[in-house]
Amino acid sequence: QSVLTQPPSVSGAPGQRVTISCTGGSSNIGARYDVHWYQHLPGTAPKLLIYGNNNRPSGVPDRFSGSKSGTSASLAITGLQAEDEADYYCQSYDNSLRVWVFGGGTKLTVL
Amino acid sequence: QVQLQESGPGLVKPSQTLSLTCSVSGDSITSGGYYWSWIRQHPGKGLEWIGYIYYSGTTSYNPSLKSRVTMSVDTSENQFSLRLSSVTAADTAIYYCARYSTCVGTTCHTAFFDPWGQGTLVTVSS
Repeated sequence: QSVLTQPPSVSGAPGQRVTISCTGGSSNIGARYDVHWYQHLPGTAPKLLIYGNNNRPSGVPDRFSGSKSGTSASLAITGLQAEDEADYYCQSYDNSLRVWVFGGGTKLTVL
Repeated sequence: QVQLQESGPGLVKPSQTLSLTCSVSGDSITSGGYYWSWIRQHPGKGLEWIGYIYYSGTTSYNPSLKSRVTMSVDTSENQFSLRLSSVTAADTAIYYCARYSTCVGTTCHTAFFDPWGQGTLVTVSS
């Protein structure tokens, strides 16, 4: 059971907007630690998608955006494309467990 | 462009020691003030941070694995390694190496991992 909670799956049609939530607690996201997001296609290297809650690394399309409020964070993807079909993970730090923690992952299906 | 690649046995017997190496290319493991991490993913489950090492040898380990984990670095080969002792079936996972970063330019954040290796599956079985 992951410290950060994500929905197991989300789906959307091409061109639509989807959001993926990441819920934590007072010892991680609520303690003002940043949230980061990764995109992962099985068999490949996970890719940093969003860092510091809402920053995109160079090369990541602006269709991807992140936000954080209280003990939760969200990843939004607009203008869905078939190539966005992947697993998405959130990540932060937990000061009670003293480890970097991840969400359980969300599988995005593009219908 | 920094790239990481894991290598090591794909099958380890119970009670033995799992040993993996991560080779770094595209930059020196000693540059930039970066730390170097290991992360694993159990089959069908989420990601678990194992620990990190600095090129000087400074380490930090997940408390749940600390008694069994040893990390080392070889600056001459530009690589770092993971050893996990007394393995059981519960250690079967895909093991990733990744660079641990905190700052982008002059702005610093809670640490994140970028880039990652593509991962290597280690199965613990007799």
